[in-house]
Amino acid sequence: GAVVSQHPSWVICKSGTSVKIECRSLDFQATTMFWYRQFPKQSLMLMATSNEGSKATYEQGVEKDKFLINHASLTLSTLTVTSAHPEDSSFYICSAVPGLDYIQYFGAGTRLSVL
Amino acid sequence: GENVEQHPSTLSVQEGDSAVIKCTYSDSASNYFPWYKQELGKRPQLIIDIRSNVGEKKDQRIAVTLNKTAKHFSLHITETQPEDSAVYFCAASQDGNKLVFGAGTILRVKS
Repeated sequence: GAVVSQHPSWVICKSGTSVKIECRSLDFQATTMFWYRQFPKQSLMLMATSNEGSKATYEQGVEKDKFLINHASLTLSTLTVTSAHPEDSSFYICSAVPGLDYIQYFGAGTRLSVL
Repeated sequence: GENVEQHPSTLSVQEGDSAVIKCTYSDSASNYFPWYKQELGKRPQLIIDIRSNVGEKKDQRIAVTLNKTAKHFSLHITETQPEDSAVYFCAASQDGNKLVFGAGTILRVKS
């Protein structure tokens, strides 16, 4: 149980285009999902907290107009990187929390390369 | 806000030996402390967690200890095996909300 699916696993795009990443909880409902960014050989940095039916809460320094988050249902959250630039290249990982549990289950991550 | 420091950044041990990774946190309101294992290019996987009402928790070869007064917690892996080689992250949160991660420890188990 507690499986989180993330797609795509890898995407290459041209500078200036937008990329959408999906995060799905397959066997549980997740009121809250989180989006992280991880640079090579570094830790996970929280970008935003996504709550179903409400606006996401962004961490300080994260541009909400650039990283659009939509949590349309209890099993799906999406992260859209708008007008991507090479500096947005990174590993993006989502996580989801079942119900009132504390444990965060992670997706497999999306490696974004912006040319 | 919360700040989590993790040491060491790299750790090499001989197969069969024990490994200890230590973390400190700054926010006394934090009450949930998970440890994640991440293999290269893969998702972090929870290996053990502890809540602030418990001082120690063990699961086979893995144990975590928590000292609330000193605001530090440690991961102990006994009888290490090559497949334990990975990056380990500690984290802290309040009531299971947003996790603040440590910088990570690269564990290498030499056979």
